[in-house]
Amino acid sequence: AQSVTQLDSQVPVFEEAPVELRCNYSSSVSVYLFWYVQYPNQGLQLLLKYLSGSTLVKGINGFEAEFNKSQTSFHLRKPSVHISDTAEYFCAVSEDTGGFKTIFGAGTRLFVKA
Amino acid sequence: DGGITQSPKYLFRKEGQNVTLSCEQNLNHDAMYWYRQDPGQGLRLIYYSQIVNDFQKGDIAEGYSVSREKKESFPLTVTSAQKNPTAFYLCASSPPDRGSAGELFFGEGSRLTVL
Repeated sequence: AQSVTQLDSQVPVFEEAPVELRCNYSSSVSVYLFWYVQYPNQGLQLLLKYLSGSTLVKGINGFEAEFNKSQTSFHLRKPSVHISDTAEYFCAVSEDTGGFKTIFGAGTRLFVKA
Repeated sequence: DGGITQSPKYLFRKEGQNVTLSCEQNLNHDAMYWYRQDPGQGLRLIYYSQIVNDFQKGDIAEGYSVSREKKESFPLTVTSAQKNPTAFYLCASSPPDRGSAGELFFGEGSRLTVL
């Protein structure tokens, strides 16, 4: 069965510092990988996705993620964060079972300090 | 602009009452989903529908019901049988092309509080 583990529930970081949010998954079939961001009291929006091809994926707002099949990981990185990056970040895995079913990790709250 | 509209944004309910959360999309997506969000637990799938007049239970369907009479609409009813309904509810949809691989488009959410 699919599962998604986000290894850190909270990540505090100073403005302009680099950040990495970690995500590991398990699945018995090929999967598609996503990172979504959620600002307070809002829905989620897509940051980036890995479907196939290059394992380094670039997304919006300067974020990028690297798919590592052997380690079943999909960590999210940003070289220099801003105060406005403070939000909750969700890693998600989608399996093709005829239709698509998406499983989410528990989320990582990124808190950027001045 | 295309998108997903959820209403109401905030809702208070007394114990024993059923409530219905609205979700409307004008993205022409076939698949629609309802997720429940609780602090520290991520999003959990309640129900999903891949086509009009058809829907499937997700991982936590007990105490909830849905209908899909129109492509644009996928309302969720939280019944009195749901033991702990206080949560943030998110509606999402997904494009029909398989190349999207299940990418989800979300509404702004509805926060339900049981008094």
